[in-house]
Amino acid sequence: EAGVVQSPRYKIIEKKQPVAFWCNPISGHNTLYWYRQNLGQGPELLIRYENEEAVDDSQLPKDRFSAERLKGVDSTLKIQPAELGDSAVYLCASSSGSGDYNEQFFGPGTRLTVL
Amino acid sequence: QQQVKQSPQSLIVQKGGISIINCAYENTAFDYFPWYQQFPGKGPALLIAIRPDVSEKKEGRFTISFNKSAKQFSLHIMDSQPGDSATYFCAASSSGGYNKLIFGAGTRLAVHP
Repeated sequence: EAGVVQSPRYKIIEKKQPVAFWCNPISGHNTLYWYRQNLGQGPELLIRYENEEAVDDSQLPKDRFSAERLKGVDSTLKIQPAELGDSAVYLCASSSGSGDYNEQFFGPGTRLTVL
Repeated sequence: QQQVKQSPQSLIVQKGGISIINCAYENTAFDYFPWYQQFPGKGPALLIAIRPDVSEKKEGRFTISFNKSAKQFSLHIMDSQPGDSATYFCAASSSGGYNKLIFGAGTRLAVHP
C-alpha cells in the first residue's frame, strides 16, 4: 500500500513569493491533516479536513495561508506571500477516520526555505 | 493546558542499554497517547500508542508506561540498538486521536555501538 505522497520534497523561494505544496493521502483515507514542523520542534496542526470540509483551521494563518481539498482526495496548501518565518517542514498526514483509535500516517514532508 | 512537555531534549545510550523518554500533560480530556519515531528526512511514523484505561503497553522492545493520576507517560526502549537512533515525539489527543495531535518537542536519541 502506498503511503502519503507529498511534493515537492524541497522548495527554496525568496520572501514575498508564493509557494504551494501538494499532498496525496493514502487511498480511502477521509481525514487529511497539514502540520508545520519548525526546526527542533514537534509538528503543529495547521488544518484538518474531513472529506472536503475543513473542520479545524483554527491554527491556519489565514492572512497568507490557504488550503483546499477538492473532491475529498488530494490537497494543496498555499502560502502567499511567504515570509522568512515560514521556513519549516510542511507535513501532510491522513487517517481512515474509523475505529476506536485514529492512527495518523505522515508523508515525508516538504522542506521550505524562504530567503 | 494544551501543551505536552517532553524530556530529555537529547539522550545518548550505549548499545544494549535502556532508553527512557518522559512526557507530561495537563489536559485531562486527552485520551490517546501515541509515540512517533522520526528519521532525518522522513515523516513521523507511529511506534506505539496507549489509552488511559491501561497502565502499560508493550510491543517488542518498546514499552509505554502511563500514570493517569500524575498525568505522565514514558517510553522505554529495551536493548537499544544503533538503528533506534532517531528523534522520538510523544503526543496526545482527545476523542481517541480524532482531534488534533499535540506533540512534545522531541527527544533526539543516539545509540552508540
